[in-house]
Amino acid sequence: DVQMTQSPSSLSASVGDRVTITCRASKGVRNDLGWYQQKPGKAPKRLIYAASNLQSGVPSRFSGSGSGTEFTLTISSLQPEDFATYYCLQHNSYPLTFGGGTKVEIK
Amino acid sequence: QVQLQESGPGLVKPSETLSLTCTVSGDSISNYYWSWIRQPAGKGLEWIGIVSTSGGTYYNPSLKSRVTMSVDTSKNQCSLRLSSVTAADSAIYYCATGFSKDVDYWGQGTLVTVSS
Repeated sequence: DVQMTQSPSSLSASVGDRVTITCRASKGVRNDLGWYQQKPGKAPKRLIYAASNLQSGVPSRFSGSGSGTEFTLTISSLQPEDFATYYCLQHNSYPLTFGGGTKVEIK
Repeated sequence: QVQLQESGPGLVKPSETLSLTCTVSGDSISNYYWSWIRQPAGKGLEWIGIVSTSGGTYYNPSLKSRVTMSVDTSKNQCSLRLSSVTAADSAIYYCATGFSKDVDYWGQGTLVTVSS
């Protein structure tokens, strides 16, 4: 199985801050990676697909980068509605595996 | 845009079989691959497995011996069965889909509690 190590597990930030979340894969997954946002009581919503492509309708302050084993989700200027938990998911090989999640909280 | 709705019993007894259905609207089920994903309360996401409309399946090895997934194209539904459940199987269960192995659209999720 490909292990996805996501860091940090939580962070506190202020509105307007730049936030970076990282996922590292235990072996290369090419660019077969997505980033998801989950708010309490809601299903996850995909923000980024194929590592760096912005999902339609997602604000441009979200961006993704990386390939192979290291991936990054960046929020350029954190907004109040961005406080949530974020997950990465690799779909290069079975079983699909998620990162452990990053909870973004208000400082 | 495809929409997904999970349904099934919210309470299952230990050792019994959990059965859930995902009803698809807005597009043909044949255009997608269908995953089930679960999330225990306060925890992260676990991918359970995937089924294609050709009938091909892949299950997470951690659950493989207990999982069956299928697709009914005539009803535009997919289903999940998980046998011999224990309290550790209590979770929100999501139906999700994408054009290949990736996961794009999600259902709202359904809470399943395993308890006598």
